[in-house]
Amino acid sequence: HLQLQESGPGLVKPSETLSLTCTVSGGSISSGGYYWGWIRQPPGKGLDCIASIYYTGSTYYNPSLRSRVTISVDTSKNQFSLKLTSLTAADTAVYYCTRRGLGLKGGIDFWGQGTLVTVSS
Amino acid sequence: DIQMTQSPSTLSASVGDRVTITCRASQSVRSWLAWYQQKPGKAPKLLIYKASSLETGVPSRFSGRGSGTEFTLTISGLQPDDFATYYCQEYNSDLGTFGQGTKVEIK
Repeated sequence: HLQLQESGPGLVKPSETLSLTCTVSGGSISSGGYYWGWIRQPPGKGLDCIASIYYTGSTYYNPSLRSRVTISVDTSKNQFSLKLTSLTAADTAVYYCTRRGLGLKGGIDFWGQGTLVTVSS
Repeated sequence: DIQMTQSPSTLSASVGDRVTITCRASQSVRSWLAWYQQKPGKAPKLLIYKASSLETGVPSRFSGRGSGTEFTLTISGLQPDDFATYYCQEYNSDLGTFGQGTKVEIK
């Protein structure tokens, strides 16, 4: 059974860089057929897609965050990661790592449990 | 950018009711639309993909319809476990865009 687990700091200072990693177990990122991505949800608000990556390295970014975001994949560790720079309080959110199918079966069928990241001095 | 608009934002209903949530896209997303259920403190759960296909394990009281720019999620016979927030998401674009959510609460 596939599982995704986020790891990273829960508290980050303004202007610093957030680094999150998602470890995938029960399946291989390299098997293809899926996008691996990050979605965030500010407290009490809706869902925003941040970025996604295919195992080959093809990346897709939210235009509003593109200048501050990098997504990468390490197939040898079966992990993918997110870096978000120049943090402000507006980046405080629960961050989820996700798996999304290619093509028409493109719903997000697996989610990590989510990790709350608070940006505060 | 594609904008997704859900209505209503909040819906009050009773157990056994039939409820319908609407999702409109600012441009055609063909049938590339999913619906999710989210409960407080939990990750969203996929209910419907390809506008009308039921994800494995999801009860048949959930159904989706639509294509192009207008979509609906219907719950036929609301159960206590169904009180939650529902999101639509288009995945016709590279990343996908979510609607703002519809909270289904107990009347």
